Amino acid sequence: DTAVSQTPKYLVTQMGNDKSIKCEQNLGHDTMYWYKQDSKKFLKIMFSYNNKELIINETVPNRFSPKSPDKAHLNLHINSLELGDSAVYFCASISSGGANVLTFGAGSRLTVL
Amino acid sequence: SQQGEEDPQALSIQEGENATMNCSYKTSINNLQWYRQNSGRGLVHLILIRSNEREKHSGRLRVTLDTSKKSSSLLITASRAADTASYFCAAEPLSSGSARQLTFGSGTQLTVLP
Repeated sequence: DTAVSQTPKYLVTQMGNDKSIKCEQNLGHDTMYWYKQDSKKFLKIMFSYNNKELIINETVPNRFSPKSPDKAHLNLHINSLELGDSAVYFCASISSGGANVLTFGAGSRLTVL
Repeated sequence: SQQGEEDPQALSIQEGENATMNCSYKTSINNLQWYRQNSGRGLVHLILIRSNEREKHSGRLRVTLDTSKKSSSLLITASRAADTASYFCAAEPLSSGSARQLTFGSGTQLTVLP
């Protein structure tokens, strides 16, 4: 079983559309993240949720809205997509005890045309 | 905001050679971690070194940490073609607290030629 799974893996859409990316982890972790990786591979944190509560909200346009229905799921909804939103979005989770090591999903490549 | 910044951006070596990648960060940290990313995949954790440690080994990996210089290095010995990937360092700031925020850079792209 995949520990952190994201869907879809690929998403191609037109400017102005609204799209969602879903993430689920079966590790029992209590904190989940969304990261954005740009074309130069720079990885930037966007959001973090701990037990369904938002704890990190970096400078991200409010067109991006995370939603955590429960601690195993963290979805990312993007409104009014722009060309600059094209990137690979990674979901990750972290264990509640011990070392703070991230487990990443395989990524969702978003292409905005 | 604090970033892990890797150096060099790209490194190409022959199989069997050693590969060294460096990382710099800006503020005090709890720990520093190295991750690997194969093309088209997510990042995978390799090794973590705590702020009170200076060196750590795991298989063919050796990590050093110099908190006075705010730098770390990752050495991969006897490299293999399968080591070809991007390598990222991630620093956990001392002030991270419950947020446990790890900040990454843009990685070092390692190519190991057969």
